[in-house]
Amino acid sequence: SQTIHQWPATLVQPVGSPLSLECTVEGTSNPNLYWYRQAAGRGLQLLFYSVGIGQISSEVPQNLSASRPQDRQFILSSKKLLLSDSGFYLCAWSVGVYSNQPQHFGDGTRLSIL
Amino acid sequence: RKEVEQDPGPFNVPEGATVAFNCTYSNSASQSFFWYRQDCRKEPKLLMSVYSSGNEDGRFTAQLNRASQYISLLIRDSKLSDSATYLCVVNPAGTYKYIFGTGTRLKVLA
Repeated sequence: SQTIHQWPATLVQPVGSPLSLECTVEGTSNPNLYWYRQAAGRGLQLLFYSVGIGQISSEVPQNLSASRPQDRQFILSSKKLLLSDSGFYLCAWSVGVYSNQPQHFGDGTRLSIL
Repeated sequence: RKEVEQDPGPFNVPEGATVAFNCTYSNSASQSFFWYRQDCRKEPKLLMSVYSSGNEDGRFTAQLNRASQYISLLIRDSKLSDSATYLCVVNPAGTYKYIFGTGTRLKVLA
């Protein structure tokens, strides 16, 4: 069966520091991969998605970036964090297009910027 | 107009009650529909997919009305453990994106 791993679970970082969050999927090939952010009490905001190695689509211009160095690995990065980057970061995967398949989420990373 | 709209609630209902949520979507080309459940400070979890003919899973029933562009979720015999935020999700045809509503909060009271 497919599983998704996301780490770390919680992170406290100072303003201006770098960020690297990692997500890996097991049990499937060529998944579609997604990064979302959820601010406290708010809905999910799509940040990036990828449909293949090295392919990244950005939804929101900001100081974050994403990379997909391997088929089942998705990384969210920042060179300098802002206070507004605080939130709950979620990685998700799905398969195909026109497939009527849902997304599945990792456990999330709660990021606090001080 | 938002692509996916939900009443934020909260819906406060007693145990054993039946409660229904609606969700409207703006893109008539939308292809796939889902309901997710999100507990406080947790990731969203798939509750059920929504099929054109409607579908049922235990106490939960989902319906799709393409003409009026809405989906619904009916929960029968509510349990305390049903307390959560319910997210409506739409996947427009030909895209990899999933559009999330902001969710409807349900509180089931003892």
